[in-house]
Amino acid sequence: DAGITQSPRHKVTETGTPVTLRCHQTENHRYMYWYRQDPGHGLRLIHYSYGVKDTDKGEVSDGYSVSRSKTEDFLLTLESATSSQTSVYFCAISPGGKLFFGSGTQLSVL
Amino acid sequence: DQQVKQNSPSLSVQEGRISILNCDYTNSMFDYFLWYKKYPAEGPTFLISISSIKDKNEDGRFTVFLNKSAKHLSLHIVPSQPGDSAVYFCAASLYNQGGKLIFGQGTELSVKP
Repeated sequence: DAGITQSPRHKVTETGTPVTLRCHQTENHRYMYWYRQDPGHGLRLIHYSYGVKDTDKGEVSDGYSVSRSKTEDFLLTLESATSSQTSVYFCAISPGGKLFFGSGTQLSVL
Repeated sequence: DQQVKQNSPSLSVQEGRISILNCDYTNSMFDYFLWYKKYPAEGPTFLISISSIKDKNEDGRFTVFLNKSAKHLSLHIVPSQPGDSAVYFCAASLYNQGGKLIFGQGTELSVKP
């Protein structure tokens, strides 16, 4: 257990509504990541953070924003959810260059 | 375009036999490769990795082979056990890119008793 907690574990929402997913770590690690997993695509990087208030875009960042106000918390926000954002979202940290993932959030946008 | 590809969506193997999972990549600048294992409703877990300066790395029943000229890596599991049934992802990273991994699509391994 890498000390990563994601909330909520499951969420169903409607198109056009804002959604925020939370990632909390107890490892005091500097780097945090948000990935999404979709069939046929594996996992793809959405955004990452390299410190408090320091974030950058990943491969599939359109429609997502992130914030990191404390070392332990990394938030992913869908400003206006679309059906294409139905996915499983994983948060991760990278001690030693290897990613350690949380248990994921299953998000369904109807 | 997919820089890391796992062309076999699924693989079925008998318990005790060898499982071989394959992965191809297109970017010759990748210098670190990893394999992750994922059970349903859980996050992926790190399994084994290899640096581009090596061609083999072994950890218990798991061995990863890297063929840089062919841009191909493979994961061997010997002997396979029913508990190995999971989805396996290969991933690659560029030098000094840490957790910014490029993942393959995954291969679902089923080990039958």
